[in-house]
Amino acid sequence: QSVLTQPPSVSGAPGQRVTISCTGSSSNIGAGYDVHWYRQLPGTAPKLLIYGNSNRPSGVPDRFSGSKSATSASLAITGLQAEDEADYYCQSFDSSLSGWVFGGGTKLTVL
Amino acid sequence: QVQLQESGPGLVKPSQTLSLTCTVSGGSINSGNYYWTWIRQPAGKGLEWIGRIYTSGSTNYNPSLKSRVTISVDTSKNHFSLKLNSVTAADTAVYYCARVEYCGGDCYVFDYWGQGTLVTVSS
Repeated sequence: QSVLTQPPSVSGAPGQRVTISCTGSSSNIGAGYDVHWYRQLPGTAPKLLIYGNSNRPSGVPDRFSGSKSATSASLAITGLQAEDEADYYCQSFDSSLSGWVFGGGTKLTVL
Repeated sequence: QVQLQESGPGLVKPSQTLSLTCTVSGGSINSGNYYWTWIRQPAGKGLEWIGRIYTSGSTNYNPSLKSRVTISVDTSKNHFSLKLNSVTAADTAVYYCARVEYCGGDCYVFDYWGQGTLVTVSS
C-alpha cells in the first residue's frame, strides 16, 4: 500500500479535462510538504511534470497544472491529447518515515 | 545537460547482493546542492524510493529496506552506487537512479533520471 493514494485509472476524450488526485495525511501533504508529479510513458523512466505543488519545469505545456489543499493534491490536464496516455505519479516527503514517498500511480487513458 | 546511467548485473541469485552503479555525465556530482537517489519499480507496479546520498556521504534510507541497503558515492569517478543484500524474488525490479534538486524550503524534486536497469533475482 502506498503512503499517497491515487486512483488506479482515469480516462477522458481528446480535448477534455481530467484531474488526478493524490491523497496523503498529516505526516506528508498535510504537514506542508510539497507535492511533485511525474509522467511515465510506457517503457521509459518517469519525467518531472510539476514541482513544488504547481510549478512547471521548462518545456512542460501549460495544459498541465497542479494544486494542493489540506492533505491532498491534484494534477489537472486540459485539452487532452493522445500522447498524454501514460502513468502519472505524485511524490512528497513523509516525516513519519523520514523519507520520500510516491503515490501508487494513475493510468490515464485517452478514449 | 546532466545524464545518469545505471549499470550492473541484470541477474542476481537469491540471498546474494545486488550491486548497481549510477554514472553521472554532463556535470560534476560534487557541484550544486543535490542529493543522489535510487528508486525501484517492480514490473507493473508503482515507484518505491530506496535511499539517498549527499556528496558529503550522508545517507538516508527507506525504513522498509534500511537493514539491507547501502548507498555510497565516489566523487573521483563521478558516480554513486547501490548495494542491496540478501535479495529475494521480491527485489526483482527496474532500478532507477536520479538527481534530487533542492527547490526551496523542504522541497526536493527528482529532476533527472537514468533510463533504468532491470534486475532479476532468480537462481
